[in-house]
Amino acid sequence: GESVGLHLPTLSVQEGDNSIINCAYSNSASDYFIWYKQESGKGPQFIIDIRSNMDKRQGQRVTVLLNKTVKHLSLQIAATQPGDSAVYFCAENAGGYNKLIFGAGTRLAVHP
Amino acid sequence: DAGVIQSPRHEVTEMGQEVTLRCKPISGHDYLFWYRQTMMRGLELLIYFNNNVPIDDSGMPEDRFSAKMPNASFSTLKIQPSEPRDSAVYFCASSLWGNTEAFFGQGTRLTVV
Repeated sequence: GESVGLHLPTLSVQEGDNSIINCAYSNSASDYFIWYKQESGKGPQFIIDIRSNMDKRQGQRVTVLLNKTVKHLSLQIAATQPGDSAVYFCAENAGGYNKLIFGAGTRLAVHP
Repeated sequence: DAGVIQSPRHEVTEMGQEVTLRCKPISGHDYLFWYRQTMMRGLELLIYFNNNVPIDDSGMPEDRFSAKMPNASFSTLKIQPSEPRDSAVYFCASSLWGNTEAFFGQGTRLTVV
């Protein structure tokens, strides 16, 4: 596959539990903050984004929270499933509307 | 649409050789990105194009790296000469203006020995 075996922080959760993945960002000028998911052997896949003038946005089983005061972004996954096991990246569009800069990533491991 | 298509999926080459990676973006998308993913540096943006024009190549590591987009449906990333430290997974992605959703290809795993 095309994954790279990254040595990343790992979050281990039980199936059915809620997961919270955190990210710190540095560029206060970004218009959007985005979460991507990368499964083993695949390219990153868009999950959800949030505009910088919002604090919270909900999707299907996912919620993104943005705290601009402390430059913190989080992704909450409800009722985590084995299919949620992947590496999760936060990203921001910096220096250009479509230009995405990715953070380091967190590995989510879901145990039955 | 078949999504973003990259070729080859795997490339093994000897140090000093020229390597060309290829990408076909999603039809109609006006942005194209090349990323490199390594254990040490994560996902790095190398260069991106808008309407076939390079907009920002500040992430290209050295002059050994070059990228072209001769038309809306094709882009190449070339490394000449290649070095072992270029070993990585290279991703191509495309998107529409105003969208934070970029669609990634499956990547090319490059190994330089």
